[in-house]
Amino acid sequence: QQPVQSPQAVILREGEDAVINCSSSKALYSVHWYRQKHGEAPVFLMILLKGGEQKGHEKISASFNEKKQQSSLYLTASQLSYSGTYFCGSNSGNTPLVFGKGTRLSVIA
Amino acid sequence: DGGITQSPKYLFRKEGQNVTLSCEQNLNHDAMYWYRQDPGQGLRLIYYSQIVNDFQKGDIAEGYSVSREKKESFPLTVTSAQKNPTAFYLCATKSSGGTDTQYFGPGTRLTVL
Repeated sequence: QQPVQSPQAVILREGEDAVINCSSSKALYSVHWYRQKHGEAPVFLMILLKGGEQKGHEKISASFNEKKQQSSLYLTASQLSYSGTYFCGSNSGNTPLVFGKGTRLSVIA
Repeated sequence: DGGITQSPKYLFRKEGQNVTLSCEQNLNHDAMYWYRQDPGQGLRLIYYSQIVNDFQKGDIAEGYSVSREKKESFPLTVTSAQKNPTAFYLCATKSSGGTDTQYFGPGTRLTVL
């Protein structure tokens, strides 16, 4: 079951904050967040495991609500370099990641 | 230099021809994956392999084939049976231990004319 991401797209000015949500209808074992620049490979940002929360970058953090089967990615004081498409991927145990359709983030000066 | 190599970066083929996309890794990772990416569709799993000489179908395996004869290599063949092969193809790997993180190669953009 593909996770559902929201919003589909967001435009920010430099310095503004954003939240990207990822929800699943299945019980989650872990949630992975990636960022992809146009024409490039997705780059791993962070992983959140059941029962814990892990912060991968200084101004980018995430939460994982196991009961609600949701994860949120928080971007604070956005920079131009944050632009790209953000994907969440989830799995249940030792299964391949299933990815959402992505959230396109554009940061403008 | 460690990492995942996909070649070529751009590939053009005529309709009806089979084409093989290369994926090589020297990370000593056990699991390897092939994803297809189309605009607005996210990443969809084609095939994956968790050990040598074994692989499983993903969500969109029809029209594709793979082999895993060596730990380092997981080539993907796009056959003429694949109706819409034009897409961006991404290979990924994952270590069997640790935090389950998948790492992606640079991708191959296939265009069928």
